[in-house]
This record gives sequence, structure tokens and C-alpha cells, in this order.
Amino acid sequence: KNEVEQSPQNLTAQEGEFITINCSYSVGISALHWLQQHPGGGIVSLFMLSSGKKKHGRLIATINIQEKHSSLHITASHPRDSAVYICAVRKPGNQFYFGTGTSLTVIP
Amino acid sequence: GAVVSQHPSWVICKSGTSVKIECRSLDFQATTMFWYRQFPKQSLMLMATSNEGSKATYEQGVEKDKFLINHASLTLSTLTVTSAHPEDSSFYICSAEGITGLPSTDTQYFGPGTRLTVL
Repeated sequence: KNEVEQSPQNLTAQEGEFITINCSYSVGISALHWLQQHPGGGIVSLFMLSSGKKKHGRLIATINIQEKHSSLHITASHPRDSAVYICAVRKPGNQFYFGTGTSLTVIP
Repeated sequence: GAVVSQHPSWVICKSGTSVKIECRSLDFQATTMFWYRQFPKQSLMLMATSNEGSKATYEQGVEKDKFLINHASLTLSTLTVTSAHPEDSSFYICSAEGITGLPSTDTQYFGPGTRLTVL
């Protein structure tokens, strides 16, 4: 069993839709990261969370430490949001575990 | 914003040769850099954590004698794949984090990656 599970694996949405990607983990963590990887391979760190909620533009990330669960929301989705979204958790001592990613395609 | 570069962006080499990949923080200093590997259709895998001036910490299953990491300065870390074999073909990515002066001290800044193909 993976330490980090993401769902869904693949997601297709119409432009403008509200999107949610979920991440569950089974280890104690010091932080959780949401990453965005575009088709060319480049990676952008979207959020680092240790508690609560963060918002940046149309992106919102939440984490529930007790339930070991995080969600990434995209409001008013746009084709340029099409990418792979990766959930990663960091244990104390820098050990990382990565989810397998959610491939998002937003159709105009 | 904080920029991390990698060089080369892609490299093709013969089996048995060694390949060096550079990771540079262009406009900030980073005490910690991370090296990742990503196989096609798979997620990132952390290979090692590199701290400036000290030995790298390797993840379980990563051969430290095969993947040599040097973090000689606050702006440069190198990964050398020694005696490369076709199974080492992968996408190698570095990231840097956590030093004052960055736009955000609670995030990682990723390089664009290096695609290695070993023939």
C-alpha cells in the first residue's frame, strides 16, 4: 500500500468547472505539498501545508491532520490548468512520499 | 521570483560513461537541495537530500556510489551518474528550499529537469 494515495488518477473537466483532487496519507508528517507538473516536465510547488487552508488565486488547498487528508480545489477551471497534480508528504527528517499524481485535462 | 536552473536539459550517453548534472539557484542561496528521479508515467522519487558543505543523505535503495552528489556552494549542487546503464535513463529533477531572501521560505523551487537517455 502506498503511503500517499491520490484520487482521481485522471480527471477531465469542462472549462469553468470546480475541480477537487484528494490526497490521503498514512504516515505522520511535518508538511504536505501540492505540486503541478506540466507536460514538458517542469514542476511548480503550489502549496505547502501543515494545517488549515491556503488560497492562491483560483487554487485552494486544505488539510485535515487528524483525518490525514488534503484536498486541492480549482475554481473556474481553465485549459491552462491542464497538468499533473502531485501530492507529496514530508516526514520529520526530510523523508518524502509522493502520490502517483492526478492528470487533469480541462476542455474549452 | 526564485529560479533554479539545471544543465544540461537533456543528455544522451553511451552505457558505461558518467554524466554530470548541475543544479543552480540563480538568484538566491540554498542550504538544502533535493534530487529526484521520475520514470515515464510515474511520480517523483526522492533520491537524496543535499546540504551545502556536508555529505548528502540518500534514500533507501539509492546507491550513493553510483549517484554522486556534491553540494560545494550555496548555489550549486551536482549529481553525477557514474557508469550509466540504460536502466538509469530517467528524468532527473532538483529542487531548492528554505533560506532567507527567497520570496517564500515555506516552498520548494524546482529546476526544469534533465532528461537522461543511456544507450
